[in-house]
Amino acid sequence: AQSVTQLGSHVSVSEGALVLLRCNYSSSVPPYLFWYVQYPNQGLQLLLKYTSAATLVKGINGFEAEFKKSETSFHLTKPSAHMSDAAEYFCAVEGGNDYKLSFGAGTTVTVRA
Amino acid sequence: DTGVSQNPRHKITKRGQNVTFRCDPISEHNRLYWYRQTLGQGPEFLTYFQNEAQLEKSRLLSDRFSAERPKGSFSTLEIQRTEQGDSAMYLCASSSKSPQETQYFGPGTRLLVL
Repeated sequence: AQSVTQLGSHVSVSEGALVLLRCNYSSSVPPYLFWYVQYPNQGLQLLLKYTSAATLVKGINGFEAEFKKSETSFHLTKPSAHMSDAAEYFCAVEGGNDYKLSFGAGTTVTVRA
Repeated sequence: DTGVSQNPRHKITKRGQNVTFRCDPISEHNRLYWYRQTLGQGPEFLTYFQNEAQLEKSRLLSDRFSAERPKGSFSTLEIQRTEQGDSAMYLCASSSKSPQETQYFGPGTRLLVL
C-alpha cells in the first residue's frame, strides 16, 4: 500500500521568500510521485511528477521537487514566492500498477505582501 | 482539448434524496477516476474505469453509491438515499492507459446534503 504524509497543514511566507512544502511517502514498490495545486472551488492542477527519470523534477510556475529515496521524501520548493502561489498543495503517490492516487492531507500556502 | 468537465458544479439536496453527477473526460483518455474530497482533506479514491469496465471500487463506496461509464465515454456517479456525511466535493479525473500517466482533474461537483 502507498501513502504520503505532508508535514505542516499551513505555511505562511513573505512575497519573494522561499517556499518549502514537505512530503514523505511510503510505498512497497518504486513510486510515482506527484504534486498538485488546488485553488479555491476548483479542481486539481498538476505541478510536476516524478516517474523514475531525473531525481530533480521541474514543474510549472517555477516549482521544483527532489526525489530522495534514502529519505523517502519528495519536497516541493520555489525560490521566490508570488502572491498567485496562495493555494492548497497536495502530494500524491501512485504505486506501480495500482493506478489510483493516494493523497496527503494538503498544505495551505499563504503569501504575505 | 477542452479538459475534464463535470456537471453540476454545485448540488444542494435534502437527506434521503438521490443525486447523480456527470463527468466528461478528455476525449482520448480511456481511464476515468472518481475521488471524494471532504473539507480540509486530500482527495480519496472511490473507483475507476478503463473504457467501460469498472476495475476497482474503494471500500468508501457503499452500496448507496453506483458509478457507470456506458460506451467508455462519459461517466455518472449516483448516490441513493443521501446522508449528511455524503457532503463533499466529488472530483473526476481522466488519464491515458499507461501507468504514471498524469490524471487530469475536472473542477468537481460540490454536494451539500441538508
